Amino acid sequence: GNSVTQMEGPVTLSEEAFLTINCTYTATGYPSLFWYVQYPGEGLQLLLKATKADDKGSNKGFEATYRKETTSFHLEKGSVQVSDSAVYFCALIPRQGGSEKLVFGKGMKLTVNP
Amino acid sequence: NAGVTQTPKFRVLKTGQSMTLLCAQDMNHEYMYWYRQDPGMGLRLIHYSVGEGTTAKGEVPDGYNVSRLKKQNFLLGLESAAPSQTSVYFCASSFVSGGAYEQYFGPGTRLTVT
Repeated sequence: GNSVTQMEGPVTLSEEAFLTINCTYTATGYPSLFWYVQYPGEGLQLLLKATKADDKGSNKGFEATYRKETTSFHLEKGSVQVSDSAVYFCALIPRQGGSEKLVFGKGMKLTVNP
Repeated sequence: NAGVTQTPKFRVLKTGQSMTLLCAQDMNHEYMYWYRQDPGMGLRLIHYSVGEGTTAKGEVPDGYNVSRLKKQNFLLGLESAAPSQTSVYFCASSFVSGGAYEQYFGPGTRLTVT
């Protein structure tokens, strides 16, 4: 079946530290891949996405590259800020049968201290 | 645009009571979804709808019913609430189109069943 495995944390970093959140997936075909972010007390927001192999999604200083050979979509940011404190979800939409159903990882809580 | 809105924001129920959660979107999206979010479980799809008048089961549909009488609204019902349904419920919507099917999320409803 389709599944997403990601680092679960929680993780605490100091401001300006480098961030990597690992995400790997299992899917038939070539899924679309997403990172969603959930700030405290809010719903999920799309952070970035990639729809085919070697695509790089980027937004707000975050980047992730769709790696088909390693079935991965790791999230990175070179210098985190306190405002990046949130829960981060990796997700996919499988490309089979026209399904639009997102499959989520369990989420990783990030806290950034000043 | 208000985007995706959810009513109510918080609710406490006693076991066996019923309630309806309302989701509304003003983006003319065809697809709508109900998820529940539990600690350590990520988001799990309860039911979804691919258009007005249609509904389908997701990953965890038991104990819930849904209706999509109008394109802009998607209702989630609990006929006889149980403590296991204590959770945060998120509604989402998306276009039917090619590409990455980005989903837009509401702010969530926190439900406690005692």
